Amino acid sequence: AQTVTQSQPEMSVQEAETVTLSCTYDTSENNYYLFWYKQPPSRQMILVIRQEAYKQQNATENRFSVNFQKAAKSFSLKISDSQLGDTAMYFCAFMILFGNEKLTFGTGTRLTIIP
Amino acid sequence: DAGITQSPRHKVTETGTPVTLRCHQTENHRYMYWYRQDPGHGLRLIHYSYGVKDTDKGEVSDGYSVSRSKTEDFLLTLESATSSQTSVYFCAISDGLNTEAFFGQGTRLTVV
Repeated sequence: AQTVTQSQPEMSVQEAETVTLSCTYDTSENNYYLFWYKQPPSRQMILVIRQEAYKQQNATENRFSVNFQKAAKSFSLKISDSQLGDTAMYFCAFMILFGNEKLTFGTGTRLTIIP
Repeated sequence: DAGITQSPRHKVTETGTPVTLRCHQTENHRYMYWYRQDPGHGLRLIHYSYGVKDTDKGEVSDGYSVSRSKTEDFLLTLESATSSQTSVYFCAISDGLNTEAFFGQGTRLTVV
């Protein structure tokens, strides 16, 4: 079974600072994707960034980047120059490819950006 | 925005009654998922579908059943609702190629 663990239930950081959210996962598969989703108070689920497991280069999307350590099964999200609009729940997720594409989520980290 | 609609958006029902939630998509995506979201538990997979009439259980499937008779609709049924099934339910879709999952707006279900 695949599991995703987010060990930080809540975090807070001052506006403009950098914050890192951690995520670890467990699988015996080789072909998979990893994701970070954001859920603001509106409850909408928004894809922040994704990483293909076969790519060694870490994914980057503007102020968001990941540190993907495949051997350690670690997938952390770094938010640079944090903004008030980054306040949200952040979920790490994992999808096995070529195996019914089951999508599994972690328990989430509630991030608060302090003005 | 991906065409995915959940109905109803809010529902209050009594313990012991059957409830059906509907997820409708206009994207022709192969994969569809039902999750429930509860504080401290994140999103937990209830059931998912990898094609018409092809479904499988997730980690919290007890008390729930699903059906997918056509590509665009994925129904979640609570045969006999219990208070522990009070939750926010999300449907998601994916085409498995771009792998990004798109989510519905959620259904808040309260069982009294």
